[in-house]
Amino acid sequence: SQQGEEDPQALSIQEGENATMNCSYKTSINNLQWYRQNSGRGLVHLILIRSNEREKHSGRLRVTLDTSKKSSSLLITASRAADTASYFCATVPKGGYNKLIFGAGTRLAVHP
Amino acid sequence: DGGITQSPKYLFRKEGQNVTLSCEQNLNHDAMYWYRQDPGQGLRLIYYSQIVNDFQKGDIAEGYSVSREKKESFPLTVTSAQKNPTAFYLCASAAGTSVETQYFGPGTRLLVL
Repeated sequence: SQQGEEDPQALSIQEGENATMNCSYKTSINNLQWYRQNSGRGLVHLILIRSNEREKHSGRLRVTLDTSKKSSSLLITASRAADTASYFCATVPKGGYNKLIFGAGTRLAVHP
Repeated sequence: DGGITQSPKYLFRKEGQNVTLSCEQNLNHDAMYWYRQDPGQGLRLIYYSQIVNDFQKGDIAEGYSVSREKKESFPLTVTSAQKNPTAFYLCASAAGTSVETQYFGPGTRLLVL
């Protein structure tokens, strides 16, 4: 079964607005990662947050992790039309090999 | 120009036919992975390999086979035993067993005639 579940499944916003996507997972993790996928393409790694970290920033991206609630959020600030893509969270379970377990993703549409 | 390449971009399979998807990387990565993605879904792990001449089944290995004879290559064969092969197949690599970030190829879309 999928470890991560993203919420919402789809998000539609205007350029300049912020986009927030959430991810919940079921078991203890080593780290949680966010990936981006443009339609019909491969995935691109965005950011990794370890289980002992609470917040991480990369450019316009901000990721938070709450291990007590087994949840994470990805915030994209000042969104652009080029941010239109699907965003996936993926977890590396604690004690496991480097296997990523993906959620079903959030489809983000940013309108000009 | 470093990265992961997958070929072909589109592949058509006839009933009862085995087809092989290619994945090559020049990143000198030890670990390689194959995932399947169905429409509107996340990725599911088919097989992975940590080192040459060794590989392990993922969550949905039935109907698939792999080999890892060279560090840079990890081909996936979709056999006739895979009854629902239509999907988008993604190959990925990572620098090692303790390195978390995976780098993905552009994918192969497999369709059944």
